[in-house]
Amino acid sequence: EAGVVQSPRYKIIEKKQPVAFWCNPISGHNTLYWYRQNLGQGPELLIRYENEEAVDDSQLPKDRFSAERLKGVDSTLKIQPAELGDSAVYLCASSPGPLNTEAFFGQGTRLTVV
Amino acid sequence: GENVEQHPSTLSVQEGDSAVIKCTYSDSASNYFPWYKQELGKGPQLIIDIRSNVGEKKDQRIAVTLNKTAKHFSLHITETQPEDSAVYFCAASTPSYGKLTFGQGTILTVHP
Repeated sequence: EAGVVQSPRYKIIEKKQPVAFWCNPISGHNTLYWYRQNLGQGPELLIRYENEEAVDDSQLPKDRFSAERLKGVDSTLKIQPAELGDSAVYLCASSPGPLNTEAFFGQGTRLTVV
Repeated sequence: GENVEQHPSTLSVQEGDSAVIKCTYSDSASNYFPWYKQELGKGPQLIIDIRSNVGEKKDQRIAVTLNKTAKHFSLHITETQPEDSAVYFCAASTPSYGKLTFGQGTILTVHP
């Protein structure tokens, strides 16, 4: 069974430019998460989806970040415009159900803003 | 919201020794506690988890214990091997939040 797939693996952009990340969760997983992991720290939740509905986006900086999960499967996370402080690893995870079930992570996208 | 503290931040052991990583959490409503292993350049990999109705769980060389009263849980790795070297994260989840709150991570190094 394929795991969570993310692309691209690496992205280098200049500040003020836009960037987008894509995630394909494990088949059948209704819950999808986007986390951000700064260097030397644990992941922090940005947004959680139940099917196509964003049920927790309280940590998403909405002035520059947006996300969507059309048809309740794939998801994209966008930053526009990017700032130097956005450099981090962006992780996507999925789980079968909404609460307290195992979350499986993708490889992540390492973003460097210069 | 939930706060998870993890110790130590780095841990160095000799091959064959045991390693113990400890975490405390703040929200007494938390009821799911997974542990993840993250190797360089990879995403976190779930290695073991425990729910609040269980005090201990074991899977081969790894085990997790939970003390709900004290609000802490620990990861135990026995007979460590060099391939156990990685960053380990604990996490906690509450039903009302439906998200994982992670600790700061422990860099485990196993010397041959």
